[in-house]
Formats: sequence, structure tokens, C-alpha cells
Amino acid sequence: GDSVTQTEGLVTLTEGLPVMLNCTYQTIYSNPFLFWYVQHLNESPRLLLKSFTDNKRTEHQGFHATLHKSSSSFHLQKSSAQLSDSALYYCALTNNNNAPRFGAGTKLSVKP
Amino acid sequence: EAAVTQSPRSKVAVTGGKVTLSCHQTNNHDYMYWYRQDTGHGLRLIHYSYVADSTEKGDIPDGYKASRPSQENFSLILELASLSQTAVYFCASSDVGDYEQYFGPGTRLTVL
Repeated sequence: GDSVTQTEGLVTLTEGLPVMLNCTYQTIYSNPFLFWYVQHLNESPRLLLKSFTDNKRTEHQGFHATLHKSSSSFHLQKSSAQLSDSALYYCALTNNNNAPRFGAGTKLSVKP
Repeated sequence: EAAVTQSPRSKVAVTGGKVTLSCHQTNNHDYMYWYRQDTGHGLRLIHYSYVADSTEKGDIPDGYKASRPSQENFSLILELASLSQTAVYFCASSDVGDYEQYFGPGTRLTVL
């Protein structure tokens, strides 16, 4: 079945440094939908980015990601981390009419 | 106004008791989902539904039942609550062809 792997459980950064959170996936389907959700403390997850187009960069709120079907990856990046970026980040995969698959999540902690 | 609401927002239950968590959405979405979130396990899918009067098992359905009496409402039922079911439960909805998950505020369940 489908699966999503987020290799980092915790990423700790100093404010101003670049952010990169890894996401790789496995699926037998050729047109998956990939998502990044962000969850701040005591809140519910909300959508940050989504894509289903190969090799097209998608951006929102300073974050960006590119779906690469050749490497089954959808890494999340930001050029300069802010204190307010501290949160839990989930990568997720959905194929038509199949149950969504979430990665285990990466906690991003940004320090001054 | 919130499009996905959950009730109760928090609940303390006794071991062996019956617990019902309710979810209501005004998004006019066909798909609805129940997840649990535990520290260290991320979001795990319990049950989901594509249409009223039909439910599907997710990744961790044991000990849970679900009911979808209408497009707007989706309930999660714990017939015999156990200590291991202490967690935060999120309901979500999504639309056909888009698959972005819209999450409710969550219910914090404590089983004593």
C-alpha cells in the first residue's frame, strides 16, 4: 500500500537559517496528490502546500516544495526560518478514492 | 465560521464506558475522516467515509466504530473505552478531486 516517510523526527534550527524537511513516498499510482500540513501547538493541522504536478514548484507563506515523481519526493523548504515557524509538519499522500497516508511528522523548533 | 466542528472538545471517561465523539461539517464535502494523535505517532487514520450510511476501516480501527448518518455528520464510538484510547481525536473532511483535509478543532479524550 501507499506510504509516506519523513526521516527527521525533530529539526532544531537557529532563526534565519534555511529550512528543509524531507518527505518521500511510495505508491503504485502515477498521479498522487502530495500535501504539507502544519500544526502549531494546541491547534489542529491546516494545509500549507499541495501539489499533483510533476516538477512544478508550489509556494505559500514563504515555504515551497516541488513534487518530483522520478525520486518520489516532496521536500519542504524555506530560505530563512522564523521563530513562528516552530510547529509540527506532516507530509501526506492521497490517491483517487484511497485513504490518505500521513507521515510520522517532523517537529521544527526554531531558536533565537 | 468554522466549517468542521467537534463535540465535546474534551472528555473524561471511565474504563469500560461508552464514548461517542461527534463531528459536523458545513463544507458540503463527501469525504469525512477520524484520526487520533498521540505523541510520537503522529496522525493515524481510524475510520473514514465516502458517502452517508457507509464507513471504511482505516489503519487502526480496533476498538472503534463509526457512523455516518448524513453527509454532514460523522461519529466515532468507543463501546468499551480503554486506557490506551487516551488521545486527541481529529475529524476532517475533504472534497472529491481535491483531497485537501479540513480539520476540526479536536477532542481531547482522557480515559481513567
